[in-house]
Amino acid sequence: SQQGEEDPQALSIQEGENATMNCSYKTSINNLQWYRQNSGRGLVHLILIRSNEREKHSGRLRVTLDTSKKSSSLLITASRAADTASYFCATDALEGAQKLVFGQGTRLTINP
Amino acid sequence: EPEVTQTPSHQVTQMGQEVILRCVPISNHLYFYWYRQILGQKVEFLVSFYNNEISEKSEIFDDQFSVERPDGSNFTLKIRSTKLEDSAMYFCASSDFRAYGYTFGSGTRLTVV
Repeated sequence: SQQGEEDPQALSIQEGENATMNCSYKTSINNLQWYRQNSGRGLVHLILIRSNEREKHSGRLRVTLDTSKKSSSLLITASRAADTASYFCATDALEGAQKLVFGQGTRLTINP
Repeated sequence: EPEVTQTPSHQVTQMGQEVILRCVPISNHLYFYWYRQILGQKVEFLVSFYNNEISEKSEIFDDQFSVERPDGSNFTLKIRSTKLEDSAMYFCASSDFRAYGYTFGSGTRLTVV
């Protein structure tokens, strides 16, 4: 399987705190992407990091990628109640047809 | 901002019936996909479509499933004879190039009874 684990499976923090979610994968990748899903809704693309990049920022989001460890992290700073959602990492393998393989996701709850 | 549109948002069907899920990808995108998510589980790849043919399909995408781009704008997923275990949220997605992120539709919730 291309995809490994995400941890934690669930994370509950207070509003204003930072949230960190981790993702591991197994194969060589072309890029890794993070998506958010509100309960029962669609997937929203957050950020894409290429295999030759180590860190990327977008607003309050910071993504790191360590290809030697085959892992990535998503940091959300100064969390808000509206950040409550499930967060998924997805990998696009270096070889083979273009497709994304998703992890199990982290359920993030921001308490007001 | 361009969107991927999926219809219907929710469909209930009897076991054994055929269903067609419809998607309108972003107009200048070249790659099209179907994914599904069984309630409470992860998002699973079904099929990718490029240049008017299937480029890859998963083990889930058996003979009961087919995809079509009938008119250059719509992209459909057909399930020929639905089973209870086909109940899931089905997502359509499109992308213009491997280097960029995918745009997902808001999904069709399929309930097979």
